[in-house]
Order: sequence, then structure tokens, then C-alpha cells
Amino acid sequence: EADIYQTPRYLVIGTGKKITLECSQTMGHDKMYWYQQDPGMELHLIHYSYGVNSTEKGDLSSESTVSRIRTEHFPLTLESARPSHTSQYLCASSEWRSSTDTQYFGPGTRLTVL
Amino acid sequence: AQTVTQSQPEMSVQEAETVTLSCTYDTSESDYYLFWYKQPPSRQMILVIRQEAYKQQNATENRFSVNFQKAAKSFSLKISDSQLGDAAMYFCAYRSPGTASKLTFGTGTRLQVTL
Repeated sequence: EADIYQTPRYLVIGTGKKITLECSQTMGHDKMYWYQQDPGMELHLIHYSYGVNSTEKGDLSSESTVSRIRTEHFPLTLESARPSHTSQYLCASSEWRSSTDTQYFGPGTRLTVL
Repeated sequence: AQTVTQSQPEMSVQEAETVTLSCTYDTSESDYYLFWYKQPPSRQMILVIRQEAYKQQNATENRFSVNFQKAAKSFSLKISDSQLGDAAMYFCAYRSPGTASKLTFGTGTRLQVTL
């Protein structure tokens, strides 16, 4: 399995709280991604990064924000959590210099907002 | 835009039998990459197998193999000698070449393995 980590694995919080989901990888990958996975299991790209100081919005609009200050770290922040943010969040990374640019996934964070 | 279609929301296979999961995609490009990912219940999504479109030979990884039909835009996954640990959601994914490209996922197929 790839060396990509997410914390916390599970989080239950109240509405209005600010939260940060952590994602880190030790593979030196340039590209990192955040996906939101709904109960129907579909994956939606919400943010991605090509490298340090690069962040882009994905295909699904999200109220979350991301930062990429270090290559290995790509945290996702929700300033004010709402029940509609309840979902599973998956982080992934890839090395674009490889021919296939294969994405490797973290274990995910299951977020529940009450 | 590329689309990936997995027409089988659920499949079931008996232990030790063979099962094939279907995936079709739509693209106008000639060079691209295809992937199958496995996501067991409450566990990490892992790469099962990948295929470069320019390679005619079908990729294989132990009990997992693909049937890549480029003209038909089909990329099915065959699991031989199914095991209980194969039970999971399986996602087919497509990626164009280029550093700016992203993965396009199908909606997934849930595979059950029975005794």
C-alpha cells in the first residue's frame, strides 16, 4: 500500500465548527487531490494541487478550502461545518513524471456533522 | 468530456469462481490510461490494475486481468478464483495524458463473494 495518511479517520462534530482534515504523503509526489465520496459511493474531485503553492478547484463545488505549503502536506479546511458536509473525504497523490500518473489513495476521513 | 460507465451496480460470485466486471468509456483521444481500483468496506482504495491504451497486450496482475477492447472502448476486469477478500466496490477510471489531466471515475460496481 502507498504511504499516504489521513487524520482523523472518523470525526463527529457540531454545526458551525471549524475543522481541518489532514493529509500527508511520504512519496514525494507533486500532485495531490481531495475527493468527496457520497453514500452512493460516487467519487467527486473537489480540490487538487500540482505542487507547492498550487491549488485548484475540482469538478464539484465545495465550501472547503485547501493549502499546499509543503510538498508532503495537503490539508482541507471547513470554516463552518454543516450537516450537508457529512461525507467521506479521500485524499490521493500522484507523480506526474511517471508515464501513468497513477493516483494512490489515503484511508479516508469519515465526517459527520450534527 | 470523457465519461466512464459501469453498468453493473452489483455483482455476485461464488468463491473460487470467475467474475467479469464491465466498464465502457467515451473519448476522442487515442492515447490514455485506464485503471481499476478496489475499495473494501471501510478500507482504503487501492489500485488493482492499470492499462496504457497504446499497449495492445492486456494487463494482468495475479488473479486479476483485463480485457481491453480499444475500438469498442471497453475495459472489463476479470477476477479468477474469487476469494472472500475480493468483496469490495470496484471503480473503473480513465485518464488522458498530460500533466493537467485528472481521473474520471465510473459509479462503481459492488462485488459480493459468497461461499
